[in-house]
Amino acid sequence: NAGVMQNPRHLVRRRGQEARLRCSPMKGHSHVYWYRQLPEEGLKFMVYLQKENIIDESGMPKERFSAEFPKEGPSILRIQQVVRGDSAAYFCASSLRGLGNYEQYFGPGTRLTVT
Amino acid sequence: SQQGEEDPQALSIQEGENATMNCSYKTSINNLQWYRQNSGRGLVHLILIRSNEREKHSGRLRVTLDTSKKSSSLLITASRAADTASYFCATAGNTPLVFGKGTRLSVIA
Repeated sequence: NAGVMQNPRHLVRRRGQEARLRCSPMKGHSHVYWYRQLPEEGLKFMVYLQKENIIDESGMPKERFSAEFPKEGPSILRIQQVVRGDSAAYFCASSLRGLGNYEQYFGPGTRLTVT
Repeated sequence: SQQGEEDPQALSIQEGENATMNCSYKTSINNLQWYRQNSGRGLVHLILIRSNEREKHSGRLRVTLDTSKKSSSLLITASRAADTASYFCATAGNTPLVFGKGTRLSVIA
């Protein structure tokens, strides 16, 4: 029973390129969350999705960032025209039911470095 | 903001000692959760305590919640070197989880 999977684990992009991060939730989980973590900081919520729907994107920058969770396939966090400030660890989590009422299971993260 | 804030920011203890970490928050919550993060890895859920609970145990972990003071504590008894990690509290209202900045625990063998 695989846990939450994220790929790639490490991603290097030059300024102006696009970064695409993937997350496969735990089997049976239809709620997915994306977080960003800067060094020595806690996790900052970005977006909460349920299959084919964005439920809450209040933590996601309005420009350059987008997320989706299609009916088939993994959830994708897309960052267009990356800048150095986007360098961070991006974690995906999934839960059996929504919001914060249930424990979340985290993936290993994708470490994005923008050069 | 209902963000939790952990205290202390860093804690260093000897193996076998107990470690206590505290978390304070600002608004009403449905539950409070504690997570552990080993360096460079994802978070691992430790324990969830609901707003109508005052204390919860899981193995060597003991969590308390005082909603009147808007605070929680995590106690790790008989610590081990493997407990070295960052510990985060996360509060849940009718919104997604909000994490604090964490307590970095070092257990010295």
